Amino acid sequence: SAVISQKPSRDICQRGTSLTIQCQVDSQVTMMFWYRQQPGQSLTLIATANQGSEATYESGFVIDKFPISRPNLTFSTLTVSNMSPEDSSIYLCSVAEGVGNTIYFGEGSWLTVV
Amino acid sequence: SQQGEEDPQALSIQEGENATMNCSYKTSINNLQWYRQNSGRGLVHLILIRSNEREKHSGRLRVTLDTSKKSSSLLITASRAADTASYFCATAVFGNEKLTFGTGTRLTIIP
Repeated sequence: SAVISQKPSRDICQRGTSLTIQCQVDSQVTMMFWYRQQPGQSLTLIATANQGSEATYESGFVIDKFPISRPNLTFSTLTVSNMSPEDSSIYLCSVAEGVGNTIYFGEGSWLTVV
Repeated sequence: SQQGEEDPQALSIQEGENATMNCSYKTSINNLQWYRQNSGRGLVHLILIRSNEREKHSGRLRVTLDTSKKSSSLLITASRAADTASYFCATAVFGNEKLTFGTGTRLTIIP
């Protein structure tokens, strides 16, 4: 199974600032995704990180707010821009090793915006 | 919007008892995956069950899938204090690996 490392694991951020979360996988994977989990809620997909091209965003999420990079098959970043307290969430990176296979998650990045 | 609903939302049982959680979804799926999340942490994958399967086992875990009713259940036998966590089902449709999550069940095992 893929081993996924996320950084930072936790951070407290000032309102109006931006933070970039890194996701590193120990093997090449075909698909990478970013999810958000607001306090006490379930997970919601933000976007699919596409290698070498622009990410595909879900309804309600836009590139200006959540820019994503994926320069290769093992690494991706998610930036949360111009943060507000409503952005306080756990952000999780996930990977799929192929169609119809297990999808693995990282440990998550817990952001608190003050 | 969330596709899946989980029932119950919260469950407390004595250590050693069995715990059953149910998940319902709305559309045809390729597979359904169950995850565990300890407080504030990432998701641990438990079991994947495909649409052409009806039951799968892994250690103390048993998952069933009824595609005609669009529902799945997760049974944890002989529960332990370490099983205390939130449990989520997540579905993927054919040709798409994006997961749609259920609302989750918060399981508490009382020692």
